[in-house]
Amino acid sequence: SYVLAQPPSVSAAPGQTADITCGGDNIGTKIVQWYQRKPGQAPVLLIYFNSDRPSGIPGRFSGSNSGNTATLTISGVGAGDEADYYCQVWDRSSYQVLFGGGTRLTVL
Amino acid sequence: QVRLQESGPGIVKPAATLSLNCIISSDTVSNYYYWGWIRAPPGKGLEWIGTLYYSGETYYNATLKGRVTISRDTSDTQFSLRLTSMTAADTAIYFCARANFGDRGDVWFEVWSPGTLVTVSS
Repeated sequence: SYVLAQPPSVSAAPGQTADITCGGDNIGTKIVQWYQRKPGQAPVLLIYFNSDRPSGIPGRFSGSNSGNTATLTISGVGAGDEADYYCQVWDRSSYQVLFGGGTRLTVL
Repeated sequence: QVRLQESGPGIVKPAATLSLNCIISSDTVSNYYYWGWIRAPPGKGLEWIGTLYYSGETYYNATLKGRVTISRDTSDTQFSLRLTSMTAADTAIYFCARANFGDRGDVWFEVWSPGTLVTVSS
């Protein structure tokens, strides 16, 4: 079955850029979504269709997808961005929704 | 603005069946969206449970197949999750969500409920 691999943790200094990766076999041929989940809260959709943002999501959040890696980029990181981030795809060969294991972003 | 709220027990005995409802405000199940259940064990990541399409089709996580049923209520403003043979491994926060979709079937969950903790314990 298809597997999405995320690093368990990523850190960035305030104001810097954080890149969170999601690896998968030819993931560039799939459509990737990204979610943010803060402690005690429901997940929030940040990016859909690889790089589109829902209304209300700041432009600091952007997504890309190519080859074997999809990336969520957070520019101008702040303390409020500390959270767990999850990638997600729809595997049409198996009709399964798949989530990556999640990456915890720490703001130094 | 659509809102979702789960309702159901907070504690379930081992081997029992979990039944959760998702109450939808300002929308209906038969509207042109998909509706899903996702869970997160304490301290762990998200796990998709299954999705109900507006057409009535359902798709389930293969690791749970045989134990899970998602269905719509006759009122069309609720959908439910039924998970049988509960064990400690099913202890999790359960979310319901509304999903949008692309023309190739891709799904993304754009509206989420707050989440409800279900603990399996005797």
